[in-house]
Amino acid sequence: QKEVEQNSGPLSVPEGAIASLNCTYSDRVSQSFFWYRQYSGKSPELIMSIYSNGDKEDGRFTAQLNKASQYVSLLIRDSQPSDSATYLCAVNREYGNKLVFGAGTILRVKS
Amino acid sequence: EAGVAQSPRYKIIEKRQSVAFWCNPISGHATLYWYQQILGQGPKLLIQFQNNGVVDDSQLPKDRFSAERLKGVDSTLKIQPAKLEDSAVYLCASSIGRRGNTEAFFGQGTRLTVV
Repeated sequence: QKEVEQNSGPLSVPEGAIASLNCTYSDRVSQSFFWYRQYSGKSPELIMSIYSNGDKEDGRFTAQLNKASQYVSLLIRDSQPSDSATYLCAVNREYGNKLVFGAGTILRVKS
Repeated sequence: EAGVAQSPRYKIIEKRQSVAFWCNPISGHATLYWYQQILGQGPKLLIQFQNNGVVDDSQLPKDRFSAERLKGVDSTLKIQPAKLEDSAVYLCASSIGRRGNTEAFFGQGTRLTVV
């Protein structure tokens, strides 16, 4: 079982729609959860972090965490063509422990 | 605030040669990571340092890869001898590394091609 799992996609959504990206993790004691965006040929860029159950909103992005279900998601509202990228989910067990990434989900926003 | 610096940006070597990558983390960041990212895959953690100490190097191929972080700041990752399958982007990241704040920020990466 992979430590962090994501659907590879591609996920295609029309411009202006909500894109929903999902991630599951295997380690029940994981504490910190991150979403990174990676454009082709570029390095990952941190866009959201979430540490407690519930929702966290930042502009058009909302991260959702459910530790009981070991599930974290990222919603992108009013999707734009510039949101087309690979979205990486990362999980950290706790301070001082390794940061593990999923394989990423490719998102394509069609204008 | 300056970001994570990496060099070189690109490197082409022949198999069995050696290569070294350098990383300078964000000032004050105690945690430093080296990741290998093969095209189409997520970053794979090679080694993680907390100050001078190694937190995890379970996926580092120790027969050919080595890494050090002297004085808890800069770090170098070395491959000797390189194999064709080492062709990848090598990413360095750093984080403050304090409880409750483990956000990691990446450098631009080094694209290695082994021919």
